[in-house]
Amino acid sequence: AQTVTQSQPEMSVQEAETVTLSCTYDTSESDYYLFWYKQPPSRQMILVIRQEAYKQQNATENRFSVNFQKAAKSFSLKISDSQLGDAAMYFCAYRSASGDKIIFGKGTRLHILP
Amino acid sequence: DTAVSQTPKYLVTQMGNDKSIKCEQNLGHDTMYWYKQDSKKFLKIMFSYNNKELIINETVPNRFSPKSPDKAHLNLHINSLELGDSAVYFCASSQGDWRGTDTQYFGPGTRLTVL
Repeated sequence: AQTVTQSQPEMSVQEAETVTLSCTYDTSESDYYLFWYKQPPSRQMILVIRQEAYKQQNATENRFSVNFQKAAKSFSLKISDSQLGDAAMYFCAYRSASGDKIIFGKGTRLHILP
Repeated sequence: DTAVSQTPKYLVTQMGNDKSIKCEQNLGHDTMYWYKQDSKKFLKIMFSYNNKELIINETVPNRFSPKSPDKAHLNLHINSLELGDSAVYFCASSQGDWRGTDTQYFGPGTRLTVL
């Protein structure tokens, strides 16, 4: 069965600094999708970035980028130039290519220090 | 305009009652989902519907029954509510077919409290 592990329950970073959130997963499938979602205090889940497993190139969205290591089954999120608005819970998620398996990690709470 | 909306935002009810949570999306998406987020923030998928057809049905009590009157709506009905049902329930939608490779858009969540 697929699993998603976020080993850091909480992290803190100074404003304007860079922080990396880790995520590892386990699957026997070769084709799948990985996501990072952000959940601010408003509770709404917001997509941050998405990566297709068949793509070797790491996805990037403005200040957010991932380090996707397929062989190591690792999918970390790097936030550059951290801003106060980045403070939230961040969830790593796995989705099978067939769409019938969707699994979220337990989340990492990110604090931004002014 | 709100893309995925849920009502109500908060729901407080007594054990044993039956309640429904409504979800609507105006994105024209084909697939909709229900998730449960417990007090420890663990988010778990419950159901997925594509064009009104049930695609994902994870192990949840049969007290939970999704209903999709059309592809823009996926309502969640819960019978005989129990204390353990207290959680935040999220609705989401994505474009495309049931293989669901597309990005999911989440609603704001419904906080259900069972007393």
